[in-house]
Amino acid sequence: TQLLEQSPQFLSIQEGENLTVYCNSSSVFSSLQWYRQEPGEGPVLLVTVVTGGEVKKLKRLTFQFGDARKDSSLHITAAQPGDTGLYLCAGASDSWGKLQFGAGTQVVVTP
Amino acid sequence: EAQVTQNPRYLITVTGKKLTVTCSQNMNHEYMSWYRQDPGLGLRQIYYSMNVEVTDKGDVPEGYKVSRKEKRNFPLILESPSPNQTSLYFCASSLMANLYEQYFGPGTRLTVT
Repeated sequence: TQLLEQSPQFLSIQEGENLTVYCNSSSVFSSLQWYRQEPGEGPVLLVTVVTGGEVKKLKRLTFQFGDARKDSSLHITAAQPGDTGLYLCAGASDSWGKLQFGAGTQVVVTP
Repeated sequence: EAQVTQNPRYLITVTGKKLTVTCSQNMNHEYMSWYRQDPGLGLRQIYYSMNVEVTDKGDVPEGYKVSRKEKRNFPLILESPSPNQTSLYFCASSLMANLYEQYFGPGTRLTVT
């Protein structure tokens, strides 16, 4: 059972457009991470959010943690081809040391 | 350079032939973990280790073994591989202080025929 549901599964947009990726769960997480993975490589951490309602910005990427700490979103402004990749959210489960990943959102940004 | 290394990167084997995938990190991280990645399922945790000689099952441990005899190494052992273990495997490590901010290795593509 996937505790973290990501939507959409696939997103194809033109350079300069905005996009939002969602990560939802019925469980409360103590923290939530967003990773980006490129073909042939392991995931790379983008951000960690820990406080309900928290908003973090990383250049053109904005991450938000829901007030109830059950959901999160990633918004990319003016997407560029370099933003292409698989975006994964991950949450700490109720068992110390166990990390649950969503299935990922494949983002393709075309010039 | 701080990194997590895995070997081999690619492996094709036959059902039942024992194999080991090695994982090593040079960042003095206490926590290490193994994941498998399958299309549509994302990353699923196989085993993790909080420190030397301490290992725990993740969500999909069946058919796998691990050991943590040294802090830097965390090998994944498949005693009798089966075709349903064909997958992309990742090792990851982190500091206990930032447990879920993990550094991933480059992955090992395993095919079991």
